[in-house]
Amino acid sequence: GAVVSQHPSRVICKSGTSVKIECRSLDFQATTMFWYRQFPKQSLMLMATSNEGSKATYEQGVEKDKFLINHASLTLSTLTVTSAHPEDSSFYICSARPVAGVVYEQYFGPGTRLTVT
Amino acid sequence: GQQLNQSPQSMFIQEGEDVSMNCTSSSIFNTWLWYKQDPGEGPVLLIALYKAGELTSNGRLTAQFGITRKDSFLNISASIPSDVGIYFCAGLLYGQNFVFGPGTRLSVLP
Repeated sequence: GAVVSQHPSRVICKSGTSVKIECRSLDFQATTMFWYRQFPKQSLMLMATSNEGSKATYEQGVEKDKFLINHASLTLSTLTVTSAHPEDSSFYICSARPVAGVVYEQYFGPGTRLTVT
Repeated sequence: GQQLNQSPQSMFIQEGEDVSMNCTSSSIFNTWLWYKQDPGEGPVLLIALYKAGELTSNGRLTAQFGITRKDSFLNISASIPSDVGIYFCAGLLYGQNFVFGPGTRLSVLP
């Protein structure tokens, strides 16, 4: 149980285009989903927290107009990287906290590797 | 902001050896977590610790929540090839978000 999927697993896009990444909780409902960014050989950096039906909360330094997050249902959150540039190339990982989960509980997706050319 | 330090940054060990790594912080946490990340995958939770002094095991893994609440360690006994990966500690202070350490990269030599 507690499986989180991400789609796509890899995406290559041209500079200036937008890319949408989906995060789904497959066998549980998630009130809260988190989006992280990970550079090579570095740790996970929290970008934003999204709660179903409300606006996402972005961490300091993360541009909300560039990284659009939508959490339209209890099983789906999307991250759209708008007007992507090469410096946006990274590994994006989502995690989901079950509706009845305890505060530390979050299950990670397998990640999406974005390459902007 | 809060930062976590992990040591060692990387380690190479022989199969069968025991492994020890730790995580330290300048601030206290209410919960310590240890995750393992395989290449190209998301992290998987190994052990969660909830109170100072707690010692918890999960198979060959043992982790402890430091008495000062500012550190934690993870031990792996009798390492096997599939232990290869990056081990992250994460701290959680109630009402705030997770803080992840920079990771310890483990390589196991046959």
